[in-house]
Amino acid sequence: DIQMTQSPSSLSASVGDRVTITCRASQTASIYVNWYQQTPGKAPKLLIYAASSLQSGVPSRFSGSGSGTDFTLTISSLQPEDSATYYCQQSYTTPTFGQGTKVEIK
Amino acid sequence: DVQLLESGGGLVQPGGSLRLSCAASGFTFSSYVMTWVRQAPGKGLEWVSGLRGDGVSAEYADSMKGRFTISRDNSKNTLSLQINNLRAEDTAVYYCARWRGDQSEFDYWGQGTLVTVSS
Repeated sequence: DIQMTQSPSSLSASVGDRVTITCRASQTASIYVNWYQQTPGKAPKLLIYAASSLQSGVPSRFSGSGSGTDFTLTISSLQPEDSATYYCQQSYTTPTFGQGTKVEIK
Repeated sequence: DVQLLESGGGLVQPGGSLRLSCAASGFTFSSYVMTWVRQAPGKGLEWVSGLRGDGVSAEYADSMKGRFTISRDNSKNTLSLQINNLRAEDTAVYYCARWRGDQSEFDYWGQGTLVTVSS
């Protein structure tokens, strides 16, 4: 299985800050990496698919980049409602998820 | 609108069995791979199993093979997961999720059903 390692595990940032979360795959995942947002008690929500494509209805402040083994999720201007845990996931082989990054608002 | 509604969770003793169900609506159910993903309390997400639209080809995470059986009834738009010989480590919220095959992602999720394995 491809292991997905996210960093950092948690972060605290202010409203309006630019936030970057990285995800490293243990072997190539090509562009088959997706990002999800999960708030407490809720199901995950798809934000980004195929590394950089924005899912319909997701605010444009979310963006993704990367290919191969290194991927990034960026929130260009953090909003209060972005407080959540974010997961990367590869679908190049049997699906696996990163361990999650908890984003808190200062 | 796409809706996925899980049911069947609950408290079960170690060694017991449980059958989870997911009722789907708002899309052509038989056209999609459907999957189960679980999340242990306070932990991350773990893919469990997936089943093709025709119900023929099932896949399981290596750690789930043998005790988990996924199935579907396209006439009732229902996905199921049978779990046998339950262990404490199977305690989790089990989510039903639709797999969008074009770029391979989980595009819709149910609200989840909690399975607690404890004596």
